[in-house]
Amino acid sequence: DAGVTQSPTHLIKTRGQQVTLRCSPISGHKSVSWYQQVLGQGPQFIFQYYEKEERGRGNFPDRFSARQFPNYSSELNVNALLLGDSALYLCASGQWGSGNTIYFGEGSWLTVV
Amino acid sequence: RKEVEQDPGPFNVPEGATVAFNCTYSNSASQSFFWYRQDCRKEPKLLMSVYSSGNEDGRFTAQLNRASQYISLLIRDSKLSDSATYLCVVNRVGGGADGLTFGKGTHLIIQP
Repeated sequence: DAGVTQSPTHLIKTRGQQVTLRCSPISGHKSVSWYQQVLGQGPQFIFQYYEKEERGRGNFPDRFSARQFPNYSSELNVNALLLGDSALYLCASGQWGSGNTIYFGEGSWLTVV
Repeated sequence: RKEVEQDPGPFNVPEGATVAFNCTYSNSASQSFFWYRQDCRKEPKLLMSVYSSGNEDGRFTAQLNRASQYISLLIRDSKLSDSATYLCVVNRVGGGADGLTFGKGTHLIIQP
């Protein structure tokens, strides 16, 4: 069975541009969450979606948005990119419910120049 | 105070030794606890969940002390392949939301 898949794996953007990152969850998983991991830090929670609705949001500015599609895949959008947005963006999927194991994709490495 | 605090290390440990990591969390209402392992430039992978009664998985033992809001991980007979960053993880309180709070991680280097 395929794990969580993310695309693109690496990308370089210029300050002020917009980026869209994509994620396909493990088959049967309806919950998708997004994390940002800056070098030297642990992952930081951005969003969680379940059944196409936002169920949780971390402490990130409104430049960050996401959505989940009927097939449970998800997109993360970041507008007006800043140098500080350079990070590994991780998508995770799981079953709904606190304490359930989530599984991470390999991530999308974003560099903003 | 950070929600989840860990000693970043690095811990340099000879192969075969026993090593222990600790982690403290600030939210007393936290419900679920985990240790994740992250290799360099890779995604985090679940190592083990942590239960109040303590739990063991092969060479790895995890303990939770809710009164002290303290989590530990013990690795016995360490292997070169154990070299990685170990992330202490606590779930966010808020219904069924799966948002997790990660520590910065403890970097472990096993030396031959």
